[in-house]
Parts: sequence; structure tokens; C-alpha cells
Amino acid sequence: SQQGEEDPQALSIQEGENATMNCSYKTSINNLQWYRQNSGRGLVHLILIRSNEREKHSGRLRVTLDTSKKSSSLLITASRAADTASYFCATVISILTGGGNKLTFGTGTQLKVEL
Amino acid sequence: GAVVSQHPSWVICKSGTSVKIECRSLDFQATTMFWYRQFPKQSLMLMATSNEGSKATYEQGVEKDKFLINHASLTLSTLTVTSAHPEDSSFYICSADNRRPFQYFGPGTRLLVL
Repeated sequence: SQQGEEDPQALSIQEGENATMNCSYKTSINNLQWYRQNSGRGLVHLILIRSNEREKHSGRLRVTLDTSKKSSSLLITASRAADTASYFCATVISILTGGGNKLTFGTGTQLKVEL
Repeated sequence: GAVVSQHPSWVICKSGTSVKIECRSLDFQATTMFWYRQFPKQSLMLMATSNEGSKATYEQGVEKDKFLINHASLTLSTLTVTSAHPEDSSFYICSADNRRPFQYFGPGTRLLVL
């Protein structure tokens, strides 16, 4: 299946440190997205990177995409306790006009940021 | 930003009963809504794609007679788990894309079937 693998499965760091999560996928994509999920809640979209982009920034987030290796990484700088959550990558293979684009989620990384 | 709500947020029911979960887009019209299922500490698995006014498209392995999806309006999609059994206990999440390449997710509904 297209489902991505994320690495590590779990990550525990101290506040102020950087957190890096990696995602690998199997087939060519149109874009790759990262979402955050707080425990027992829905997901929140963080950032989208298109297949022709290599790096993107949003606040303390930095995402890279290597289409030759079929992998992406999410870096959270200067982490805070409030960043504690699960992080998922999701891929879109093709864009449909009018919406309805399917997301295929990776396995997720559980991040814990300790004070 | 776009807001998606779900109701109820949690439900406990007896085995054999049917449970309906509502998903609403509160401030936009959602041509397409999606239903996911998530087991504890696992990823989201897409169950079906719901288009307003037409039949839902189910993913392989999802029983359409078991999980009835209705998208009657541009702001409401419902998932009915028919004759629920303990193995149907899970976290169900809906989303909508508001014609963007990413999705807005509801807060989820936790179903426990006894």
C-alpha cells in the first residue's frame, strides 16, 4: 500500500530542543502534508509541500522533501511542552479538480516534550 | 479557518444496536467529506469518501452495508454503524477539504460497543 512509514515511532525530548521526524512513502506523489493530533482529538493541518519543492518553512516548522528517496522530514525547532502530540505525514497522489483528494497517512510519530 | 464538528463526541452502546455519527462543516460548504477510523496508537485509515448528493465511495475492505454513509447536504454527512459489535469500537473521524488540497478534521467520535 501507499501508507508511509514514520520514524521514530516515539520521540521524547526536553523543552527547547529540536525534534525531527521522518516519513517515507512508496509511490510518486503530488504533495505531502504534515498533520498534528493531540491525544483523543482530530487532526490539524500543519504544512503542505509540493512535489516540485524541496524545503518549506512555517514558523518553527521546517519540512523537507526528497522525491528521489521518497522521503520527507519535519523539524520542530525550540520545542515546547505544548508541542506534545502525534505527528502524521500524509500523501496525495493526484489532485482532483473540485476537491476530494485522498490522503494516505503514515504511521505517525508520538512526540513528548518534557519540561 | 474552516471548522468541522462531529456529534456525538463519544457514545457507548449495546451490541446489536445502530449508531449514527454526524459530521458538519460549520462555516463552509463541503462538496466532499471523508470518514476515517483510528485504533489506539495507530494511524488513520480512510473508510470512505462522501460526495454530496451521490453514493459514497468505500475503500477496499470496508463493508458498505455495515457503515452507511449519507451526504444529504453540503454541510452534513452522517455515518451509521449498523448492528454494532465490540470489534467496531474505535475512534471515528470525519474531514472536509473546502476545495483545498488539505483537509479540515472534526474532533472525532469515540465509539464503545459493549
